[in-house]
Amino acid sequence: DVKVTQSSRYLVKRTGEKVFLECVQDMDHENMFWYRQDPGLGLRLIYFSYDVKMKEKGDIPEGYSVSREKKERFSLILESASTNQTSMYLCASSPRVGQVSSGANVLTFGAGSRLTVL
Amino acid sequence: GDSVTQMEGPVTLSEEAFLTINCTYTATGYPSLFWYVQYPGEGLQLLLKATKADDKGSNKGFEATYRKETTSFHLEKGSVQVSDSAVYFCALIPMDTGRRALTFGSGTRLQVQP
Repeated sequence: DVKVTQSSRYLVKRTGEKVFLECVQDMDHENMFWYRQDPGLGLRLIYFSYDVKMKEKGDIPEGYSVSREKKERFSLILESASTNQTSMYLCASSPRVGQVSSGANVLTFGAGSRLTVL
Repeated sequence: GDSVTQMEGPVTLSEEAFLTINCTYTATGYPSLFWYVQYPGEGLQLLLKATKADDKGSNKGFEATYRKETTSFHLEKGSVQVSDSAVYFCALIPMDTGRRALTFGSGTRLQVQP
């Protein structure tokens, strides 16, 4: 069964700590995404990557960075965690945009990582 | 910019009731439209999609029709079950602007009572 795996389901960190959220996909997808999910706000895009070592800012990149050294792995980094970064973080992947196929633009999501910053 | 507006929840229905969850959108390009569902404790999964005007997406008894004239993609189901209790997200991606990521609505929680 193909899937997206997020390494931690629940994390509790302190203000100022550096936080790494890891995501691995086994579908050989080119695109990978990090969203955060907050009640009443839905999903908001933080960063995405369309190839190894390539990244683009999403709608709310402030306070975050990303790393994609291998095709299957996409990491979200909080350099100095703050309480307003307490949230559910969702990783997703998809095939290359623009492909004429039934799978184009369909995202496969991980189960999420719930981060609490104290 | 692109945006998706969904009706606020929670929507509470009795089993076998008819469901409608409204979704309207604003897009700079010509979008593809999606409904995703999130069951408790799980990630989002694709429910259905439509890529051009008047297309109808359908899956698991759910349907949604791409209405370009009203910029809407309302989700419907004729008879809901307790197992349909979840959060439903409407989303879009414009196909002609180069944006590579989906834009999601705020989600609508559905609670179905036996």
